[in-house]
Amino acid sequence: DTGVSQNPRHKITKRGQNVTFRCDPISEHNRLYWYRQTLGQGPEFLTYFQNEAQLEKSRLLSDRFSAERPKGSFSTLEIQRTEQGDSAMYLCASSLAGRGNFGPGTRLTVT
Amino acid sequence: DAKTTQPTSMDCAEGRAANLPCNHSTISGNEYVYWYRQIHSQGPQYIIHGLKNNETNEMASLIITEDRKSSTLILPHATLRDTAVYYCIVPPNYGGSQGNLIFGKGTKLSVKP
Repeated sequence: DTGVSQNPRHKITKRGQNVTFRCDPISEHNRLYWYRQTLGQGPEFLTYFQNEAQLEKSRLLSDRFSAERPKGSFSTLEIQRTEQGDSAMYLCASSLAGRGNFGPGTRLTVT
Repeated sequence: DAKTTQPTSMDCAEGRAANLPCNHSTISGNEYVYWYRQIHSQGPQYIIHGLKNNETNEMASLIITEDRKSSTLILPHATLRDTAVYYCIVPPNYGGSQGNLIFGKGTKLSVKP
């Protein structure tokens, strides 16, 4: 069990740039989740996939945020035209049923 | 979604049991109680979950009241490495399919030497 991995672990970008994060779930897990966490708050649910189908995206923070999971394996989260308020930890989790396994997160800093 | 209420913070002496309470008075009959923790700058870590019976694993015990309106996570011998934010979560159940984990603010447990 190699666990959930996320890349990059840290990203510094300038306001207005686009960024893309990758999540590799545990291989047999069919569900994949994205969360955002700001300082002092619990993780905030953004979206999730069952296999390659995105089943919930209404909680994506704006139309600048999009996620994909081609072929039901790894997933990417893209933020277009980043703003300083997008600075946060972006967490990915995967599950087969029930309990979710979280990755270490990608910390985004927008300057 | 069944909302959960947890104390903001708690202290525990190293080596003693840490008992973390959670209220979930609106829980439905088929909804599970999950506990996760998050050590500073890491992703959340699954601890334990249960439906109505008490559960125990190598990390902790989960005591759920008979009416299921509250639960307690017990760390039997807390160590300094157990200092973390502990989240009690009740994901919705949609006809047997579990919904997403929605996190609150959790309880900040500080284990002191």
